[in-house]
Amino acid sequence: QQPVQSPQAVILREGEDAVINCSSSKALYSVHWYRQKHGEAPVFLMILLKGGEQKGHDKISASFNEKKQQSSLYLTASQLSYSGTYFCGTERVGETSGSRLTFGEGTQLTVNP
Amino acid sequence: DTEVTQTPKHLVMGMTNKKSLKCEQHMGHRAMYWYKQKAKKPPELMFVYSYEKLSINESVPSRFSPECPNSSLLNLHLHALQPEDSALYLCASSQVGGPWGYTFGSGTRLTVV
Repeated sequence: QQPVQSPQAVILREGEDAVINCSSSKALYSVHWYRQKHGEAPVFLMILLKGGEQKGHDKISASFNEKKQQSSLYLTASQLSYSGTYFCGTERVGETSGSRLTFGEGTQLTVNP
Repeated sequence: DTEVTQTPKHLVMGMTNKKSLKCEQHMGHRAMYWYKQKAKKPPELMFVYSYEKLSINESVPSRFSPECPNSSLLNLHLHALQPEDSALYLCASSQVGGPWGYTFGSGTRLTVV
């Protein structure tokens, strides 16, 4: 079952912050975050496991709220290089880990100078 | 080597043709995946190989035939495709026993005429 991402699109000025949400109606085992630039491969950003945790990667961090089955991606002090489409991918409890990753519809992030 | 290499980058084929897509990785990953991505949509899982054995087929039509000859190589054989099969075909790999993040190739853009 496909996770639901919001918002669909975000436009920022350089230096501004953004939050992208990803939620599921099913119990999740893990949540992945990827960024895809136009015409390029999706690039892995980070993975969060059930149990609730928060991770950081430079000025990009994420959290996973197991009770709500929701993950949020935080982009702080955005840079031009952050532009692209962000996808969350979810693996559900009960499925073999690493085998069936289902992606949300994506959030198109544009950072302007 | 931290890349997944896909060839060819572009392919145009007729509905009666037979062609193959190739994917190669040398990261020691034992899980490999084929995804299909339409414009402005998320990647959709097609096949999963784990330790060179097909573990998941997401009800993909038989005109798509995957093959994993060894731990580094993944092929997708195409035959009698339809114009609606035109898409970006992405290969990815990961470690098993994770969950682990996926490394994606840059894809083969397929046009069926």
